[in-house]
Amino acid sequence: AQRVTQPEKLLSVFKGAPVELKCNYSYSGSPELFWYVQYSRQRLQLLLRHISRESIKGFTADLNKGETSFHLKKPFAQEEDSAMYYCAATGYNFNKFYFGSGTKLNVKP
Amino acid sequence: DTGVSQNPRHKITKRGQNVTFRCDPISEHNRLYWYRQTLGQGPEFLTYFQNEAQLEKSRLLSDRFSAERPKGSFSTLEIQRTEQGDSAMYLCASSSPLSHSGNTIYFGEGSWLTVV
Repeated sequence: AQRVTQPEKLLSVFKGAPVELKCNYSYSGSPELFWYVQYSRQRLQLLLRHISRESIKGFTADLNKGETSFHLKKPFAQEEDSAMYYCAATGYNFNKFYFGSGTKLNVKP
Repeated sequence: DTGVSQNPRHKITKRGQNVTFRCDPISEHNRLYWYRQTLGQGPEFLTYFQNEAQLEKSRLLSDRFSAERPKGSFSTLEIQRTEQGDSAMYLCASSSPLSHSGNTIYFGEGSWLTVV
């Protein structure tokens, strides 16, 4: 089974500071990787997926197969980025999605 | 709103009672997932359907849990003889791997269950 680890439960930064939310996965095949975000009182929603290689709301994530990591980065955090962030990965058959325990990002003014 | 819809949004029940949750996926999505989420944890996989076929069930899904998707559209998740440990958010998600969105799952707002 796939295991997704997000080591930080809480990350607090000041507005304008760089942000990096860490994510490591265990299955070293070629899983699909995603970041989901949950803003206060809203549903979980897709932020980005590695296969698209896109930047959403200034966030990017680089897949490092050697380190089995998929860290989420943003060079200048904004207050509206405050939310719960979940990293997710598929298993070997791409049908199941495994989620990390989440990191709460708090961007202070 | 054409997103994933779940109801009821909140349910408080007494221990030992049965509860049923309903999920209406995005209309063209053939895959439907159920997840459970407790405080401080990420969503945990329970089961998933492709059309009406239930293809996989987690070991988390005890015999008291049953999920159906009779016509390949909406799904129900029933918990029989609820226990306090069943208190959680039950999330439904759907996907359509062959669509432009690819293998991406879209979540509903969840159904909160509190067992007292």
